[in-house]
Order: sequence, then structure tokens, then C-alpha cells
Amino acid sequence: RKEVEQDPGPFNVPEGATVAFNCTYSNSASQSFFWYRQDCRKEPKLLMSVYSSGNEDGRFTAQLNRASQYISLLIRDSKLSDSATYLCVVGLTGGGNKLTFGTGTQLKVEL
Amino acid sequence: EAGVTQFPSHSVIEKGQTVTLRCDPISGHDNLYWYRRVMGKEIKFLLHFVKESKQDESGMPNNRFLAERTGGTYSTLKVQPAELEDSGVYFCASSGRAPSEQYFGPGTRLTVT
Repeated sequence: RKEVEQDPGPFNVPEGATVAFNCTYSNSASQSFFWYRQDCRKEPKLLMSVYSSGNEDGRFTAQLNRASQYISLLIRDSKLSDSATYLCVVGLTGGGNKLTFGTGTQLKVEL
Repeated sequence: EAGVTQFPSHSVIEKGQTVTLRCDPISGHDNLYWYRRVMGKEIKFLLHFVKESKQDESGMPNNRFLAERTGGTYSTLKVQPAELEDSGVYFCASSGRAPSEQYFGPGTRLTVT
């Protein structure tokens, strides 16, 4: 079983749609949670950290459920420029922070 | 502010040869990480430096890989001798006081033939 599981997609959605990605993680000791975005053949870029209380950044909303070990990302009013792979990432803090990545969910936003 | 830089961007070598990858972290970042993505797999952690010290090298695949960070600035990752399964994209990341928020370099695409 992978430490971080994501639906690989692809998710093909029309511009303006709302799309949700889900992720589960297996290590209950995990302390930090992120969504990264990766464009084709580029490096991962931090999209947002995810907090237990949930957090929002413009069109993006992230949620964390520690009891279920579940993380989500909601993108509202999707744009063509949102097309990318979204990586669910989990970290263990305490002396360092080795990040564990999911395989990513591919999103294609179409006209 | 300059981001994380890596050199070279691409490297093609033959099995048995040696390759050295370089990473320059964001200025002032004490934490430096190496990760690798092999074809079709997720990005995986290799090791973590705090300044010049190895904090965690649990992800290093075997003793053909040697990472250094002399002086606590840039880091090198040497693969010697390279094997076919070492092919992939090697990413470097750095972080400052918030160790969890890591910023990635563009990666080095290594192909071993």
C-alpha cells in the first residue's frame, strides 16, 4: 500500500467547473500536509499548506481530516491555467521534514 | 530572490560512469533535501541536510550514492558507478525556518544508457 494515495485521473473538466481531489495517507504520525502543483516536466511548486481547520486561498480550498487521514483540494471556477498535476504531500516534522508524495492527480481544464 | 538552482539540467551517461549533480539552495536556507522521481513512480525522498550535517539519509538507495554539503551552502550528489535504474529526475529542495515548506529546484534529468 502506498503511503499517500491519490486518484491519478486524468480529470477533464470544462472551464468554470468546480473540481475536487482527494488523498489519503497511511502514517498517523504525519504532522504537515500540502498540495503541490507540477506542470509538465517542471518542478513541484507549493500550492498551499493544509491545516486542520481548513484553509482557503482564492479559488482553492483545502481540508484535512486527521481522524480519517484524508486530505482534499477543491478548485472553484477552474481556469485553463489550472491544468497541471496536483500532488498530495505529507510530512513528518520534528528535526527535519522528509516529504512523502502521492503520485499526483492530473487535471485538464478545457474550453 | 533567486530560487533553488540545479546543474546540469540534463545528463546522459553510460552505465558504469560517474555523474555529479549540484544544487544551490535559496540563500539562507539551512535545510537542503534531495528527492528523485523515476519513470512512472512518485517523487521519493533521498536525504536531508541541516547546514553541512546529514540529518536523515534513510532514502538513499545504496552506497553508490554520495551526497555532500561542505560549508553548508551548495550540495552535490554523486552517483558512482551509475546503473540503468538510476535514471530519473533528481530534485533538490530547500527550506528555511519553516522546515516543512520546501521549495524545489528545476531538477536534473539523468539518463543512464
